[in-house]
Amino acid sequence: KAGVTQTPRYLIKTRGQQVTLSCSPISGHRSVSWYQQTPGQGLQFLFEYFSETQRNKGNFPGRFSGRQFSNSRSEMNVSTLELGDSALYLCASRSQGAYNEQFFGPGTRLTVL
Amino acid sequence: AQSVTQLDSHVSVSEGTPVLLRCNYSSSYSPSLFWYVQHPNKGLQLLLKYTSAATLVKGINGFEAEFKKSETSFHLTKPSAHMSDAAEYFCVVSREGNYQLIWGAGTKLIIKP
Repeated sequence: KAGVTQTPRYLIKTRGQQVTLSCSPISGHRSVSWYQQTPGQGLQFLFEYFSETQRNKGNFPGRFSGRQFSNSRSEMNVSTLELGDSALYLCASRSQGAYNEQFFGPGTRLTVL
Repeated sequence: AQSVTQLDSHVSVSEGTPVLLRCNYSSSYSPSLFWYVQHPNKGLQLLLKYTSAATLVKGINGFEAEFKKSETSFHLTKPSAHMSDAAEYFCVVSREGNYQLIWGAGTKLIIKP
């Protein structure tokens, strides 16, 4: 089985722009979660989608949004980029069940100038 | 509500000595628990998981963890540290109901030669 893939791997944007990141989960996984990782704040949960519905949401402003498609692929969008949005954005997929672990993609490194 | 606390932000040990990374959780039910590892500039990888089958869980690379319900702990141990173990380690608990994963703040493991 192919692992979780994220595109693009690296991205450079300027303040005020918007960005869309993409995540393809492991085949058969219906849950996709997004995380932001920075040296200062560590790993922070953004949101989780399950069967095209947002199931959980972290404490991020409304500039951060996401969606999931019927094939379980997910996108996250950040509008009006700020310097503080520079981070590694990680996507993880998971099959349903309390004991099932998340599998992570390599991440997208976003730099905001 | 579920929560997880990693008691040390940094742990430093000499190569060849035992490793102990501490994790306490709070849960009103019998949780599922995970340890993940992230090596520098690498993605997150599952080390081991507790699924209620056995309280002592063995993982990859010689790590193991013991689930102690009376102490609400899930500490990660390894008998002998290796330089390649230098990484950040995350303790994670699964939330009842919607299976959202609650992440600890992480512990950086430093190995001294």
